[in-house]
Amino acid sequence: DAGVTQSPTHLIKTRGQQVTLRCSPKSGHDTVSWYQQALGQGPQFIFQYYEEEERQRGNFPDRFSGHQFPNYSSELNVNALLLGDSALYLCASSFGSREPQHFGDGTRLSIL
Amino acid sequence: QQQVKQSPQSLIVQKGGISIINCAYENTAFDYFPWYQQFPGKGPALLIAIRPDVSEKKEGRFTISFNKSAKQFSLHIMDSQPGDSATYFCAASREREGGKLIFGQGTELSVKP
Repeated sequence: DAGVTQSPTHLIKTRGQQVTLRCSPKSGHDTVSWYQQALGQGPQFIFQYYEEEERQRGNFPDRFSGHQFPNYSSELNVNALLLGDSALYLCASSFGSREPQHFGDGTRLSIL
Repeated sequence: QQQVKQSPQSLIVQKGGISIINCAYENTAFDYFPWYQQFPGKGPALLIAIRPDVSEKKEGRFTISFNKSAKQFSLHIMDSQPGDSATYFCAASREREGGKLIFGQGTELSVKP
């Protein structure tokens, strides 16, 4: 039973570029949430996707956008990258947006 | 209203000892309180969770104590082992807002042999 998988594991970008991160939820899960974890901090909620729509959003600018596909996989897009966007980006999945959530190992994004 | 405050920031415990990590929350609408364990290079893994209708929940060596009136909850790790060395996060959410976990700042636990 595959857990939550994320790709790529590491990524290096420069300021102003755009990036797309990918997530496949745990088998049987239909809801995907994205979190940003800065070094030494707890994860912060970015947004959640259910039935291919954004259901909830945290306190992140419009530069952060996402998408959910019919197979429940999801993408996180970040435009106009800033140095402060350097972080571990975590994807979590659940069934019907109910707890508990299961996390992937994240994508480490570094902005130069 | 949305904060979850966690303490201590770091903790050193001898093998076999009890590790205790505390969290306090502000929003009384929170009704789901999980603890996650995170190893370097890995994502958070759910350890144990509690809802406010009970004051304590135990799973193996891990126990959550919950004090609704004080708006506090804590994680106790009994018989701590070097393999428990990791960062621990408390979190909270509202079932109505399923999926929006609010995390504490984390506690780095080191268990010395």
